[in-house]
Amino acid sequence: RKEVEQDPGPFNVPEGATVAFNCTYSNSASQSFFWYRQDCRKEPKLLMSVYSSGNEDGRFTAQLNRASQYISLLIRDSKLSDSATYLCVVNPLNGYSTLTFGKGTMLLVSP
Amino acid sequence: GAVVSQHPSRVICKSGTSVKIECRSLDFQATTMFWYRQFPKQSLMLMATSNEGSKATYEQGVEKDKFLINHASLTLSTLTVTSAHPEDSSFYICSAPQLTDTQYFGPGTRLTVL
Repeated sequence: RKEVEQDPGPFNVPEGATVAFNCTYSNSASQSFFWYRQDCRKEPKLLMSVYSSGNEDGRFTAQLNRASQYISLLIRDSKLSDSATYLCVVNPLNGYSTLTFGKGTMLLVSP
Repeated sequence: GAVVSQHPSRVICKSGTSVKIECRSLDFQATTMFWYRQFPKQSLMLMATSNEGSKATYEQGVEKDKFLINHASLTLSTLTVTSAHPEDSSFYICSAPQLTDTQYFGPGTRLTVL
């Protein structure tokens, strides 16, 4: 089983749609979880951290299910500018450490 | 916010040459920096951890003699790809952590070896 697995997509959605991405991780001892966004030929940029209680940042909602080792990202009211690849990222330890990246899920938002 | 820079952003070189990539933390000090490589449609893969004042730690399968890392100061780490070959063509990205486990990525260096 891969350390961090994501559906590669692409997810093609119209503007205004709601879309959800899922991610599973294999290391049950993982401590920190993140969603990063990566635009084509660019570096990853932190979108949001994922907390056990779930967290929301504007149109973005992240959820963590430790029992199922599952992380999700929900994007509401999709914008054209949301088109990118979304990376599920896991840190196995507390404090800064090596990050394990999923391959990413590509999102394409069309007019 | 924290900024990490990389230079050059793109390099094209002939097979057999060496290429040096610089990673700088611009407004904070980083005793540790990370070097990643990303092939097309693949995830970022950690190559090595660069430690200021000591030897880098390489991930399994990464040749330390081919990918030379020097962490010369608290704001600069360099990665030198020695005797580059076409299979080394990739997107190389560095990152530096600040405070807890927030990592800031450089803009990346796209290496093409002919």
